Amino acid sequence: ILNVEQSPQSLHVQEGDSTNFTCSFPSSNFYALHWYRWETAKSPEALFVMTLNGDEKKKGRISATLNTKEGYSYLYIKGSQPEDSATYLCAFLNQAGTALIFGKGTTLSVSS
Amino acid sequence: EADIYQTPRYLVIGTGKKITLECSQTMGHDKMYWYQQDPGMELHLIHYSYGVNSTEKGDLSSESTVSRIRTEHFPLTLESARPSHTSQYLCASRYGSNEKLFFGSGTQLSVL
Repeated sequence: ILNVEQSPQSLHVQEGDSTNFTCSFPSSNFYALHWYRWETAKSPEALFVMTLNGDEKKKGRISATLNTKEGYSYLYIKGSQPEDSATYLCAFLNQAGTALIFGKGTTLSVSS
Repeated sequence: EADIYQTPRYLVIGTGKKITLECSQTMGHDKMYWYQQDPGMELHLIHYSYGVNSTEKGDLSSESTVSRIRTEHFPLTLESARPSHTSQYLCASRYGSNEKLFFGSGTQLSVL
C-alpha cells in the first residue's frame, strides 16, 4: 500500500503571514504529484501537476517544489489571505498509473 | 468551471434501501473515478473506469458497484445500504494519464 503523508495536519496563520506545507510520497516508481485546494462546500480544484524532479510551479501567491529522489513536495503560500483558507491535498501517481493516492490534507485557516 | 455533476448532494436513507449516486461529465473524459472520504481521513479510491464497459475496483474495498455504459455517465449503486456506508462520495474525471482531476461536488450519504 502506498502512503502519502502530509504535514502539518492543520495550521492557523494571520493574514499576511507566509506559510508552507509538506507532502511525502514513495520515491520509487514516481510518475506525477498533484496539489489540490478544497474549500468548504466546494469541489477540490487542481493547483499543480508536477512530473519532473526539481520542478517548481507558481500560481499567483502559491508555489510548489518537487523532489522525486527523496520523495517530497512543498507548497508555499506567500502573504496568506482569508480566501486561502482551505484544505490542501497532495496526491501521488506511480508509474502503474492506476489512480491518484491522496494524503489526508493540510487544513489552513487564515485570520484577518 | 468543471463540467462534472453529482446528485444528490445530500442523502439520508434507511438501512436496507437500494441507492444510486449519479455522476455525469460533459468534458468527454475517458477516465472516471469514485472516491470515498470519512471525516479526518484521506480520499480513498473505491472504483475507476478507463472507458466505456471498463470498471475496476480501487484500493479500498467497497460493497458498491459501478457501471460505465456511456462515456459521460458513471453511477455508483449500493444494493442494500447500511450505517457503515455513511460517508462522503466524490466523483472525478480526467483525460489521459497526466492530467489533473476534475471533481464533482460530492454526495454526503447518511444511512440510518
